Amino acid sequence: DVKVTQSSRYLVKRTGEKVFLECVQDMDHENMFWYRQDPGLGLRLIYFSYDVKMKEKGDIPEGYSVSREKKERFSLILESASTNQTSMYLCASSLPQGIAKNIQYFGAGTRLSVL
Amino acid sequence: RKEVEQDPGPFNVPEGATVAFNCTYSNSASQSFFWYRQDCRKEPKLLMSVYSSGNEDGRFTAQLNRASQYISLLIRDSKLSDSATYLCVVSQYGNKLVFGAGTILRVKS
Repeated sequence: DVKVTQSSRYLVKRTGEKVFLECVQDMDHENMFWYRQDPGLGLRLIYFSYDVKMKEKGDIPEGYSVSREKKERFSLILESASTNQTSMYLCASSLPQGIAKNIQYFGAGTRLSVL
Repeated sequence: RKEVEQDPGPFNVPEGATVAFNCTYSNSASQSFFWYRQDCRKEPKLLMSVYSSGNEDGRFTAQLNRASQYISLLIRDSKLSDSATYLCVVSQYGNKLVFGAGTILRVKS
């Protein structure tokens, strides 16, 4: 069974703080993704990575950065948290090719509140 | 305009009812299509893929109409456990998926 683990379920941070969201997967997947999910907007892709030390911008990368130093770990960084970054953050992973690349396995999510 | 549009619902149906959701997508170059299911306060999980020929998995039937750029999901004999948000998902180039905002289904006894 694929397991994607996000380090925190709930986080409360203050405006201007640097925030790290960690994600670890145990299935040796090459692809990893960070999304945010907001009511009425669905999941929006922030960043993704196809391999170690590789990253690509998604649809809404502004205000975020990522790090992938090891294959199993993909970190999302909010350099200076702002109130409009209050959201549910979901990490996902998948295999790189074929039909399997479309099956993304998600972590349980981190609900971040920025005050 | 959103790339993937869904009626947000909620659809409130009694147990045993048949319910159908539609979804439209704007990018004609979209390659693959899926329905994911998200239970309340849980992560999304793949429900089924959608093919032009249509496909069925038990009580669930998915259809794709490429000419009209819409996807449908039919649930027969609804169960209480079917209550969830159903996400229409489209894959484009590379490994990216585009998610609709979801349709809420509530099945009541």
